[in-house]
Amino acid sequence: SAVISQKPSRDICQRGTSLTIQCQVDSQVTMMFWYRQQPGQSLTLIATANQGSEATYESGFVIDKFPISRPNLTFSTLTVSNMSPEDSSIYLCSAFGTVTYTQYFGPGTRLTVL
Amino acid sequence: DAKTTQPPSMDCAEGRAANLPCNHSTISGNEYVYWYRQIHSQGPQYIIHGLKNNETNEMASLIITEDRKSSTLILPHATLRDTAVYYCILGTTGANSKLTFGKGITLSVRP
Repeated sequence: SAVISQKPSRDICQRGTSLTIQCQVDSQVTMMFWYRQQPGQSLTLIATANQGSEATYESGFVIDKFPISRPNLTFSTLTVSNMSPEDSSIYLCSAFGTVTYTQYFGPGTRLTVL
Repeated sequence: DAKTTQPPSMDCAEGRAANLPCNHSTISGNEYVYWYRQIHSQGPQYIIHGLKNNETNEMASLIITEDRKSSTLILPHATLRDTAVYYCILGTTGANSKLTFGKGITLSVRP
């Protein structure tokens, strides 16, 4: 299975600022995914990131608020822009592994916006 | 919306088998049944997946009914560390397959 790390593991930010979350995979992967998990809720897919192309966003999520980069086959970033307290969530990245043909998840970034 | 239905919670005694049910009556022919679990504050952990045959690995067994409209995840000897939220999810095996998480079932393993 792929090993996925995220930075930072947690952060506390002021409203109106932006935070960039990094996701690193220990092997080359085609697709990477970003999810949000609001307090007490299940995971919701934000977008799918394919290397070399624009990310594909799910309904309710827009590029201006959650810009994503995918510069190579092992790395992606998600930026949470112009944050408000409603953005307080755990943000998780995942990658599709070609051994078991399923997604593996990073440990998550716990974001608190004051 | 999630295409699976799970009871909100269940518990079992440590050392006993935990049988977690899942209904997916609208499953498509090319959709697999995936199971993940999320231990508090951690990223979801992949457990097992299957199409129509029963599957077993070092973590669990997956039993899928012949009509594929329901399945059961079996943890053969539950431990306290198996306390988690378990998600039953339908998806394909393609690289761009999306996972739609429902609310899952909270399994509590008691001593």
